Formats: sequence, structure tokens, C-alpha cells
Amino acid sequence: AQTVTQSQPEMSVQEAETVTLSCTYDTSENNYYLFWYKQPPSRQMILVIRQEAYKQQNATENRFSVNFQKAAKSFSLKISDSQLGDTAMYFCAFMKQGGGSNYKLTFGKGTLLTVNP
Amino acid sequence: NAGVMQNPRHLVRRRGQEARLRCSPMKGHSHVYWYRQLPEEGLKFMVYLQKENIIDESGMPKERFSAEFPKEGPSILRIQQVVRGDSAAYFCASSPPAGTPPDTQYFGPGTRLTVL
Repeated sequence: AQTVTQSQPEMSVQEAETVTLSCTYDTSENNYYLFWYKQPPSRQMILVIRQEAYKQQNATENRFSVNFQKAAKSFSLKISDSQLGDTAMYFCAFMKQGGGSNYKLTFGKGTLLTVNP
Repeated sequence: NAGVMQNPRHLVRRRGQEARLRCSPMKGHSHVYWYRQLPEEGLKFMVYLQKENIIDESGMPKERFSAEFPKEGPSILRIQQVVRGDSAAYFCASSPPAGTPPDTQYFGPGTRLTVL
């Protein structure tokens, strides 16, 4: 079974600064996907960024980027130029690649990020 | 293109009653997933359905919980004889059909169930 660990329950950052959220995972699979989801106070789950394990290039989406280290099984999220609207719970998630029942997401417990003005 | 719809957003039930949670996937999506989020926890997978089929229900409690995704209409998560421990947020997600790798799931706003 896969496990996802987010070792930082809470973090804070000043507006306009950069913050990195950590995520490690454990799997015996070689092909998989990794995701970061954001859950603001509205509690809606919003996809932030995704990474295919077979790609060496780190994914980026505007101010969000990841540092994917496959050998170390690490998948950190970097938020640049933090904005007040980035305040949310951030969840790291894992999905095996393949058919059948492989599409369920395994989530970490989350990191609560607060952006201070 | 409307997103994943869930209703009701909030549901209050007394112990022993039934709870029915509905999920309409995004247009064109034929895969539906249900997750449960307990307070201070991440989301936990419950069940994965395609139209008229349960693909994986490994996360569903063995009793009182059932799910369906009929040919017509929304997916339903049904909890019979609710207990206080069922209080949680229940999220539905959907992804595209076979042939398009369903590797990205889009979530609804969730239903917050409170059992009194």
C-alpha cells in the first residue's frame, strides 16, 4: 500500500515571499502520478499541480512549482510571491498509473499554510 | 462547463436515520469517486464507480454504506442508520472516460454531514 507523509502540520509565510511545503511518499510502483491539492476555508478541493513520475522535468503552474526527486520519493511544492489567497490547507496525493482500480488517490494529512500581510 | 456538483452542501441527521448524498460529475466524465474527510484529516478513498458498475469499493465500511452510479442521474452515496462517527465531509470527484487517462480528478464542493 502507498503512504503519503506531510511532516509540516502548519506553516506561515509573509506576503510576497516564497515558501516550500514538503511531501514524501512510499511506494514500490515505478509509474504513478503525484498531485498537490489546495483546500481553502471554503473547503473546496482545488487541483494546484500534477507530476507524472516518468517525467524528469519538474512541473510548474504560474507561481507554483514542484521539486520531484523520484529516488528520494520526495515531492515538495514551492509557492513563489505568496498571496493572501494562497492561505489554505495543502494536500499532497499519490495515484498509481494503470487501469482497473488504480485510480484512487492516497492523500497526506495536509499542511495548513497561512499567508500573513 | 459546469464543475462537479454535490448536494446537499450540508446535511443534518439524527442517529439511526438515513443519509443520501448526491454527486453529478462534470459533463463528459464517466468515472466517479467518493472520499471522506474526517476532522483534521486528509481525504480517504471510499469507492470508485463507472456507470452502473462499482470498480473498487475497498474503502467503504462493510456495513451501512452503499454507492451507486446509475445509467441516468447522479451518483448516490447512501448511509443507513447513521451514527455520530459518520459525521464528516464527503467529497465526490470525477474524471474523463476510458481512452483518456483518468489521472486527474476534479472535486465537488463536498457535503458536510452532521449526525446529532
